[in-house]
Amino acid sequence: QLVLTQSPSASASLGASVKLTCTLTTGHSSYAIAWHQQQPEKGPRYLMKLDSDGSHSKGDGIPDRFSGSSSGAERYLTISSLQSEDEADYYCQTWDTGIVLFGGGTKLTVL
Amino acid sequence: QLQLQESGPGLVKPSETLSLTCTVSGGSVTSNLYFWGWIRQPPGKGLEWIGIFSYGGSTYHNPSLNSRVTISVDTSKNQFSLRLTSVTAADMAFYYCARTAGLSTWSLDSWGQGTLVTVSP
Repeated sequence: QLVLTQSPSASASLGASVKLTCTLTTGHSSYAIAWHQQQPEKGPRYLMKLDSDGSHSKGDGIPDRFSGSSSGAERYLTISSLQSEDEADYYCQTWDTGIVLFGGGTKLTVL
Repeated sequence: QLQLQESGPGLVKPSETLSLTCTVSGGSVTSNLYFWGWIRQPPGKGLEWIGIFSYGGSTYHNPSLNSRVTISVDTSKNQFSLRLTSVTAADMAFYYCARTAGLSTWSLDSWGQGTLVTVSP
């Protein structure tokens, strides 16, 4: 069964970098995902689509500070030069025929 | 620039039907290049997929909601709608409409701003 697993929380200092992880279930390591950002009191915003080979395509206006990478069943979102507005919930999302799935989300705190 | 905007009653009574509309601008719901869909988020919780459809193509629903969900389209108004029957307190959530990046790529690359639906007598 296809499931996405995310750590509930992460933290990093202003100006530093952070790497968030989304893990696909065994047997689904070839699946692409999408990353979405949800700032407080706002709706989700699409960040990027991330393929199993690490290639990614970002949404309009997404800063270069946001990048994606992959290793096996793990999909990563790296945010560099952290800014206060990066404090948000980050969700990964994937799909299979007839179904769309979300990870539980990671709450990122910028210290 | 594609824009999606949800609208509908913000308050629904238990056991009644929730009805929401998503108005699309800068694109067409009749495009057969995308899927269009609904996602919800209970306050303070994570995202839950409700269903998606492609005009003239297939419709898929979350199995956990399947029998209560209907997604329809009004091409004259460039809108699509969600009906969720027999609502309970568990259906109280922010409801978002969205579009996928393509027919075979279901990353949700455009989102509406969302609307809160409260379920209360």
